[in-house]
Amino acid sequence: GAVVSQHPSWVICKSGTSVKIECRSLDFQATTMFWYRQFPKQSLMLMATSNEGSKATYEQGVEKDKFLINHASLTLSTLTVTSAHPEDSSFYICSAWIAGGPMDEQFFGPGTRLTVL
Amino acid sequence: GDSVTQMEGPVTLSEEAFLTINCTYTATGYPSLFWYVQYPGEGLQLLLKATKADDKGSNKGFEATYRKETTSFHLEKGSVQVSDSAVYFCALRPGGGADGLTFGKGTHLIIQP
Repeated sequence: GAVVSQHPSWVICKSGTSVKIECRSLDFQATTMFWYRQFPKQSLMLMATSNEGSKATYEQGVEKDKFLINHASLTLSTLTVTSAHPEDSSFYICSAWIAGGPMDEQFFGPGTRLTVL
Repeated sequence: GDSVTQMEGPVTLSEEAFLTINCTYTATGYPSLFWYVQYPGEGLQLLLKATKADDKGSNKGFEATYRKETTSFHLEKGSVQVSDSAVYFCALRPGGGADGLTFGKGTHLIIQP
């Protein structure tokens, strides 16, 4: 149980286009979902926290107009990278947390590799 | 702000060797501490955790003790196996479950037969 999926697993796009990444909790309803970004040989950096039906909370330095997060349901959160540029190329990882669940932990998706040409 | 420092890799060991991966943290208050493992092509999996000082987390032969006095949470295993080869991340959570995690850079562990 507690499986989180991401789609797509990798994507290549041209500079200036927008890319949407989906994060789904497959067998549970997530109270909160998180988006992280990982650069090569670097740690995961928290980008934003989202709760179903409310606006996401972005970490300092993360452009909310570039990284649009929508948490439309308890099982789905999407990250849209708008007007992507090569510097947005990275590994994006989501996680999901259940409030009051028996296991007080975040469950992570496998990540999405974004390459912007 | 909060931060986590862990030893850089790769760490290469022979099978059945003793493993230590160092992790120290900086945080205000009393964070919870975690070790996550990432196998190739898979998402991060929680390996073990500790929520207060002197707690010991353990799982699959791995152990780590929350040391507030030294702000450390070192990961240890007495006898590693080839299947333990993976990337290990130390992380902290400042408060409750609704808080995001602060991660270290990860340590790539390679176990040779």
